[in-house]
Amino acid sequence: QKEVEQNSGPLSVPEGAIASLNCTYSDRGSQSFFWYRQYSGKSPELIMSIYSNGDKEDGRFTAQLNKASQYVSLLIRDSQPSDSATYLCAGRPLNDYKLSFGAGTTVTVRA
Amino acid sequence: GAVVSQHPSRVICKSGTSVKIECRSLDFQATTMFWYRQFPKQSLMLMATSNEGSKATYEQGVEKDKFLINHASLTLSTLTVTSAHPEDSSFYICSARDQEDRGYNEQFFGPGTRLTVL
Repeated sequence: QKEVEQNSGPLSVPEGAIASLNCTYSDRGSQSFFWYRQYSGKSPELIMSIYSNGDKEDGRFTAQLNKASQYVSLLIRDSQPSDSATYLCAGRPLNDYKLSFGAGTTVTVRA
Repeated sequence: GAVVSQHPSRVICKSGTSVKIECRSLDFQATTMFWYRQFPKQSLMLMATSNEGSKATYEQGVEKDKFLINHASLTLSTLTVTSAHPEDSSFYICSARDQEDRGYNEQFFGPGTRLTVL
């Protein structure tokens, strides 16, 4: 079993809608979680990080962490065509600096 | 924000040659750098963890004699793909962890190097 699993997608949403991305992890010791956005042919860029249970909002992005259920989610509100990309979920175990990445979910926002 | 650069951004080489890729942290010191490889439509695969002044730690299945990593300073790590073959063609991405990190372990990614082996 992979340490980090993402809902497979691809996900297609109309412009202005909410895109919902989910991620589960198997290591209960994981402490920090990150959402990266990766455009085709480019390297990942960090868009959200979350360490505590609950919600964290940054602009149109909201990350949610539930350590009891071992899932992390990302909501993109008012989706724009520029949000079309692959979103990678990553987790960091306790006492380790390495990140475990999910397979990624490709989001397409239709104009 | 923290900036990581990679050089070259794109390289094409003949089979059997060696290719060196540089990863630099431009405005912070990086105790630890990471090297990833990404094949088309796949996620990032960690190849190795590079620690300044010590030997790199390779992930299972990654040949340390083929992928030579040197982290000679707090701002520079290099990955050398030795005797490259077409199956080594991939997108190589480095990331760096700020020495001043207080536990959040944010990794800053370089722009990547596209390697094509003919």
